[in-house]
Amino acid sequence: GIQVEQSPPDLILQEGANSTLRCNFSDSVNNLQWFHQNPWGQLINLFYIPSGTKQNGRLSATTVATERYSLLYISSSQTTDSGVYFCAVHNNDMRFGAGTRLTVKP
Amino acid sequence: DGGITQSPKYLFRKEGQNVTLSCEQNLNHDAMYWYRQDPGQGLRLIYYSQIVNDFQKGDIAEGYSVSREKKESFPLTVTSAQKNPTAFYLCASSIRAADTQYFGPGTRLTVL
Repeated sequence: GIQVEQSPPDLILQEGANSTLRCNFSDSVNNLQWFHQNPWGQLINLFYIPSGTKQNGRLSATTVATERYSLLYISSSQTTDSGVYFCAVHNNDMRFGAGTRLTVKP
Repeated sequence: DGGITQSPKYLFRKEGQNVTLSCEQNLNHDAMYWYRQDPGQGLRLIYYSQIVNDFQKGDIAEGYSVSREKKESFPLTVTSAQKNPTAFYLCASSIRAADTQYFGPGTRLTVL
């Protein structure tokens, strides 16, 4: 089946810093989503982005489907950005990466 | 209020007992999914259903069963055959397969 790799596995930032999270996948996909999992376990949709670039406030994402990767950018990070960020891709079914655990310190 | 609900939020069971987790959606979505998450891990697909009265196994279906008798409901039964059932279980739905998935709040199952 399709493999999904996220990097880095852990990231610690000072409040106000910018960061880039990466998602590599091993085959062509029908869609790609980025999620944020909060400390209570709720998964929150960030982007549905099978290709191209999207922006939502301080967050933006870019997927280059031909090169099989996606990037999530977080600018001017805040402590509320802390949590785990997951990339998930749909081929025949949905596959999740292992996540990037982000900690933003005040 | 539209959304996906899961109940209960926390569930405890004794080893050897079957238990059923509820998932309901009022979004009129055709597709529904069950995932399992272990501590520090990503999500793994247990079962999914693209339409009423039809469902397929995911990567880790052994020891689980589902039904899809109604569009809005997709209950998951964790059977005594599941060797390590303690985990966080998440239900999701989408308009159709490959569309954006929306998740419920999850159920934490602990086997004592």
